[in-house]
Amino acid sequence: GAVVSQHPSWVICKSGTSVKIECRSLDFQATTMFWYRQFPKQSLMLMATSNEGSKATYEQGVEKDKFLINHASLTLSTLTVTSAHPEDSSFYICSARSRGYGYTFGSGTRLTVV
Amino acid sequence: QQQVKQSPQSLIVQKGGISIINCAYENTAFDYFPWYQQFPGKGPALLIAIRPDVSEKKEGRFTISFNKSAKQFSLHIMDSQPGDSATYFCAASIDNQGGKLIFGQGTELSVKP
Repeated sequence: GAVVSQHPSWVICKSGTSVKIECRSLDFQATTMFWYRQFPKQSLMLMATSNEGSKATYEQGVEKDKFLINHASLTLSTLTVTSAHPEDSSFYICSARSRGYGYTFGSGTRLTVV
Repeated sequence: QQQVKQSPQSLIVQKGGISIINCAYENTAFDYFPWYQQFPGKGPALLIAIRPDVSEKKEGRFTISFNKSAKQFSLHIMDSQPGDSATYFCAASIDNQGGKLIFGQGTELSVKP
């Protein structure tokens, strides 16, 4: 089956620093990757959609300069939270989409900014 | 119009009982309706999905019922088990418009032994 590997699973960083989260599709090529943010007891909120080799499309209200998304290949997308602040603390989840496997989600990254 | 409304917010069911979660949508262009199960600290995992040309789909203990005219779909979990205790999300997407999933608000299911 399709597997999406997301790393790290948790990270603690100091306020003002940047954090990079990786999302890899291990056994398939993803036509599109999605990044979500989830607060405790809430639903998944789509942040952005990215296609390999092109700029990400951000949802309304998501700061593109703060949440940098790079989709370098059909199997790798990264989300960089720049100049992180405590309010950026959240659970970030990636999803990879392919024609054969539909949507496959990563295991998520718990970001805590102190 | 892009919203997917899910109910109930929380659900308590006895072991062996039937869990029923409902979702409603407005956008008739949606053409893919999946259900996801999420455990704390984990990403969502696909349970079962349906397309609008089918009224019902069953996989093991999980069944999706789809009512196109009412723009509603539901998840039934038969013979609910304590291990089914998790948060369940319905979602919808339009395949030929980028395919982004719109999620419902989630239902926290607790199955009591």
